[in-house]
Amino acid sequence: GQNIDQPTEMTATEGAIVQINCTYQTSGFNGLFWYQQHAGEAPTFLSYNVLDGLEEKGRFSSFLSRSKGYSYLLLKELQMKDSASYLCAVNGGATNKLIFGTGTLLAVQP
Amino acid sequence: DAGITQSPRHKVTETGTPVTLRCHQTENHRYMYWYRQDPGHGLRLIHYSYGVKDTDKGEVSDGYSVSRSKTEDFLLTLESATSSQTSVYFCAISESSRGVYEQYFGPGTRLTVT
Repeated sequence: GQNIDQPTEMTATEGAIVQINCTYQTSGFNGLFWYQQHAGEAPTFLSYNVLDGLEEKGRFSSFLSRSKGYSYLLLKELQMKDSASYLCAVNGGATNKLIFGTGTLLAVQP
Repeated sequence: DAGITQSPRHKVTETGTPVTLRCHQTENHRYMYWYRQDPGHGLRLIHYSYGVKDTDKGEVSDGYSVSRSKTEDFLLTLESATSSQTSVYFCAISESSRGVYEQYFGPGTRLTVT
């Protein structure tokens, strides 16, 4: 079967660093994607990983280990506007379809 | 901004009525998708299209049909709406970046079936 797991909720403090984990089991793999979704809005693309290692984009970084079926999204210098749901998604093959996890709701506190 | 619009943005309808949601894109993307998003389930793929008149089912396609007669429009139809189809519906397109297809989402349609 195909499964993506991520924590349901997390809380962190403004200015701190938070790591959101994602584990996956899929029949194929052609990339892992992270999206941010504010309440009542559409998901917006943050980053993707195809090869093992760390990809950095400003305050956001994403890591992938294909052998472990594991990824994390690292958010640095947290700001109140980072309060949102973070969705992990995997492209499981050649059809360009994404399988989404249920999302992690991050609350940033002052 | 991937040039995606959805209409209507909000709709309330009664059980048993047909409903059509429209997704329109302006940048000639080949791949288009319809998802629904519900609490506790995340985003689930309903149908997708890989070209004009080329469509296929996703994981939750029962009760839904789609059509794509033009590159820019992808229509989702609920033949006879049920309360279980109350949801937020997102359309998405994908475009290739370094050989990886990134998906971008429209603003969503909130559908309530009473």
